[in-house]
Amino acid sequence: SQTIHQWPATLVQPVGSPLSLECTVEGTSNPNLYWYRQAAGRGLQLLFYSVGIGQISSEVPQNLSASRPQDRQFILSSKKLLLSDSGFYLCAWSPKQGLAGQGPSTDTQYFGPGTRLTVL
Amino acid sequence: SQKIEQNSEALNIQEGKTATLTCNYTNYSPAYLQWYRQDPGRGPVFLLLIRENEKEKRKERLKVTFDTTLKQSLFHITASQPADSATYLCALGSGGYQKVTFGTGTKLQVIP
Repeated sequence: SQTIHQWPATLVQPVGSPLSLECTVEGTSNPNLYWYRQAAGRGLQLLFYSVGIGQISSEVPQNLSASRPQDRQFILSSKKLLLSDSGFYLCAWSPKQGLAGQGPSTDTQYFGPGTRLTVL
Repeated sequence: SQKIEQNSEALNIQEGKTATLTCNYTNYSPAYLQWYRQDPGRGPVFLLLIRENEKEKRKERLKVTFDTTLKQSLFHITASQPADSATYLCALGSGGYQKVTFGTGTKLQVIP
């Protein structure tokens, strides 16, 4: 079965410090990967998505970046955190259909446990 | 711009009754609509997907309807239980390489 891991679970960082959040998926290959942020009382905001190694699409201009160095690893980074970066960060994956994992995904997203980031 | 609206106010319902949550959207022609459940401090969990050519989908005590003319989906939980208390999110997708847009969610509280 597939599992998705995120770490750390909670993080408290000062303004201006760097950030690195990691997400890994097990039990599947060539997944689509996503980073979302959920601010208090707000919906899920898609930050980045990736359809393959080294392929990153950014949805929202900001001081965050994402990388996918391996098929099942997705990293969210920042060089200098802002107060507004506080929130609940969620990684998700969705499978691809078709031969050899190509083609549109099945549209269902599977979320990790999340990282609660507080920037002070 | 695309907009998804879910009732931001919490829905309180007596145990055993049917809970009905609403998801409305504008400026969107989704290929499918999904419902997720999110518990506090946890990631959302997928519940149901309904495609644009489907009117209704059921799964155990859950039922989803999708009216593309009204641009609305209704999510029903029959015989609601306190364990059903959570925030429910709707999400719309257009197909292809997947980006789904989530609503802000409705918090459901089932009172024993």
